[in-house]
Order: sequence, then C-alpha cells, then structure tokens
Amino acid sequence: QVHLVQSGTEVKKPGASVKVSCKASGYTFTDYYMHWVRQAPGQGLEWMGWINLNTGDTNYAQNFQGWVTMTRDTSISTAYMEVSRLTFDDTAVYYCARDIGNWGFDYWGQGTLVTVSS
Amino acid sequence: QSALTQPPSASGSPGQSVTISCTGTSSDIGSNNYVSWYQQHPGKAPKLMIYEVSKRPSGVPDRFSGSKSGNTASLTVSGLQAEDEADYYCTSYAGTNNFVFGTGTKVTVL
Repeated sequence: QVHLVQSGTEVKKPGASVKVSCKASGYTFTDYYMHWVRQAPGQGLEWMGWINLNTGDTNYAQNFQGWVTMTRDTSISTAYMEVSRLTFDDTAVYYCARDIGNWGFDYWGQGTLVTVSS
Repeated sequence: QSALTQPPSASGSPGQSVTISCTGTSSDIGSNNYVSWYQQHPGKAPKLMIYEVSKRPSGVPDRFSGSKSGNTASLTVSGLQAEDEADYYCTSYAGTNNFVFGTGTKVTVL
C-alpha cells in the first residue's frame, strides 16, 4: 500500500530556512514525479513545483523560483522541499503528492505545518 | 499563471445534484485534457476524485463525474450525501510544465 509520510511541524523565524521531507513506501519510488503543494491558513491550494524522482530534474512554479529547492534521496525513498528566506506569508501546510503520470495526484502526504513567527 | 475560477460556494439537499464550474483559459483547460478534481475535508489532505477530465480513480463513487467544454470544466456530484460536504478544487496542466489550481468551492449539504 502506498504511503507518503511527511516530517513534523516546524516553527521558524523570518529569514530562516525550512526543509520538509516526504518518505514514500509501497511502490517504486523512482517511477513517479512528486509535486509539492501548499495551503496557507484558511486559503486554497497552491502548486509549488515538481521533481522527477528518477532524474532529479525539477520545475518550479514562477512564484517559487529562486527560493524553493526540491531534492530527493533515492536510497531512502525520500523527497525534500526546502524554502529559504522565510517570511510570515510562508506560514502554511505543505503537502507532497505523487503524480500518477498525467498531472493527477493520487497519493498525498499528511501535510507539514510550517509556522513563521518572530 | 492565474488561478482557475470556481464559485466560492455551492449547496444542495441530500439526494440532489450539485455542479461546480471551473473556468480557465485557452492556455490551460482549453488546451489539454489534464483536468483533475480534488475533495478536501477540514484538516485533511486533498483526495483525487477525477482525473483527465472525467476518469474516476478506483474507490471513488460513480456519483462523481467530470466534464469539459472549451475553457470550462465541471464536476457534478449526484445523489448528494452528508459526507460530500467539503471543499473542492479543480486543477489543470497549464503548458510548459506548469500547473494551476482552482480557487476552491465549498459544498454544503443542506
């Protein structure tokens, strides 16, 4: 059975960085792309970008280019998403989601709450 | 890339049908069939309900159906049940490896 398990809640100060992990199990990790999506409190879903878990190629949404980095470690079937230079507006729940191959996300992590607070 | 436009809310009584629209442009919805719909209950991760405009993943009831015409996609929930009360988001591939979510619709079962 497919599972995506994310790292726990984070509290960071403005200007800091945060790295969220997403550990996959139950399928061949490198056969799929992984996307990251965030949701600010009381707001809608926002797509951040994807990583090809086989090649490591990435593509970021325009709003996140230059300050979000997606990586993976195939040896432990884990994807990572790092946000640098955090601001209060980055307070959100961050999700990883597996792409079934046609821009449909069939499995999601449980979400990681990142709070930016001084 | 601008978000796809959805009505903020929709409602229906148990057993009735509700249809949610999702309006994009010729650069996203109008240019491909990679439209998906997600259901999200409060405090939970989204769940895939429809992909490629009208396909249902295994386990999704056939009460949920999707369609598309031009730059607008639609999700219809037939035979509304209490557990269908949730937020619904459409999504679309937007070209050059970009992707966009809809603004979200809160469905209330009266």
